[in-house]
Amino acid sequence: DAGVIQSPRHEVTEMGQEVTLRCKPISGHDYLFWYRQTMMRGLELLIYFNNNVPIDDSGMPEDRFSAKMPNASFSTLKIQPSEPRDSAVYFCASSLGVRRTGGNEKLFFGSGTQLSVL
Amino acid sequence: GESVGLHLPTLSVQEGDNSIINCAYSNSASDYFIWYKQESGKGPQFIIDIRSNMDKRQGQRVTVLLNKTVKHLSLQIAATQPGDSAVYFCAEKSTGGFKTIFGAGTRLFVKA
Repeated sequence: DAGVIQSPRHEVTEMGQEVTLRCKPISGHDYLFWYRQTMMRGLELLIYFNNNVPIDDSGMPEDRFSAKMPNASFSTLKIQPSEPRDSAVYFCASSLGVRRTGGNEKLFFGSGTQLSVL
Repeated sequence: GESVGLHLPTLSVQEGDNSIINCAYSNSASDYFIWYKQESGKGPQFIIDIRSNMDKRQGQRVTVLLNKTVKHLSLQIAATQPGDSAVYFCAEKSTGGFKTIFGAGTRLFVKA
């Protein structure tokens, strides 16, 4: 398996523009997570899905952020409009469900998208 | 609030020595703990995990120790190598929950 695949690897955009980040989870994984990493706040969980359904989006910072998972092999995180404070590395991760792991749900991360909003 | 934190932000060790990275957690409901390694430009990668019904678990060159009494977790790396240089995160979650909460991270430098 190729692992979790994210695109693009780097994104540079201007304030006010729409940004779309993409993720392909590992085939067969039931859960998909979006994290944001900054020096100040570390790794923050933004939202996660179970079987394509958003379960908890309490970590999404503002209404400017939205995430979708139209099918089991694809998810997007959208920021509209983007702001300089959104600059960070955004990671997607996937995992098997608890029923198949007995509770030991380790996460498999993609390589991340480095977002810079100017 | 509930959090997972690290005592030391940076650790520098000599190649061949053993490394110990420490972590404190505050959520008594957490019963599953994981260590991740993050190399530059990459996402965090699973190293080893431990459930709360265990005190110690060993992997290849790594050992995780869990002290529930003082809510402390440690990662021991034997015979540290240059390839071990990275940021190490401890993380925790509770059974029945699906949120993995990460600590701040410790950067490990291995001197040749």
